[in-house]
Amino acid sequence: EVQLLESGGGLVQPGGSLRLSCAASGFIFSSHAMTWVRQAPGKGLEWVSTISGSGGSPFYADSVKGRFTISRDNSKNTLYLQMNSLRAEDTALYYCAKDRCGITSCNDWFDPWGQGTLVTVSS
Amino acid sequence: DIQMTQSPSSLSASVGDRVTITCRASQSISNYLNWYQQKPGKAPKLLIYAASSLQSGVPSRFSGSGSGTDFTLTISSLQPEDFASYYCHQSYSSPITFGQGTRLEIK
Repeated sequence: EVQLLESGGGLVQPGGSLRLSCAASGFIFSSHAMTWVRQAPGKGLEWVSTISGSGGSPFYADSVKGRFTISRDNSKNTLYLQMNSLRAEDTALYYCAKDRCGITSCNDWFDPWGQGTLVTVSS
Repeated sequence: DIQMTQSPSSLSASVGDRVTITCRASQSISNYLNWYQQKPGKAPKLLIYAASSLQSGVPSRFSGSGSGTDFTLTISSLQPEDFASYYCHQSYSSPITFGQGTRLEIK
């Protein structure tokens, strides 16, 4: 059974940093791109970032580019999201999701999703 | 950026009703369109991928159609467990975008 377990969320002050982790199991981690999607309270889904199975070709939403860095450790089956210069508008539940594809440009979908980790940016 | 516009934003329906949700892309996305269901407090769940393929384990009352710019998600006979929010998602080009969601409520 494929499982994704996010961790690392919490309360942080504006301008602060946080690193999210997503521990994966039940599939060949390095064969799949991985994605972060966030959902602000009461709002819809917003794609944040995707990284290929090999760890190359990361790409980002404009709203986080230059502040967030996606990475992965295929030896640990873990996906990361380093978030710097956090803003109030980054407050959201952050989900990691398994991509169908190994690369970042293909007819892709996300399945499954983890349960999410909550990031709150507030003073 | 490709904009995804869902309609309606909310919908009230009864058990047994046939329901259709539409998603329109601002430019052609071929069949790079997926549908997710999200229940309160839960993670999104993949229902339909590549516009019309039913994800394994999803009841056959769910179906998807369309290509290019116009897509639909149909629930043939609503069940109590179907009351949730639904999102479309395009993976045709970066940035990946989602529709704003459709909240399906009990009438």
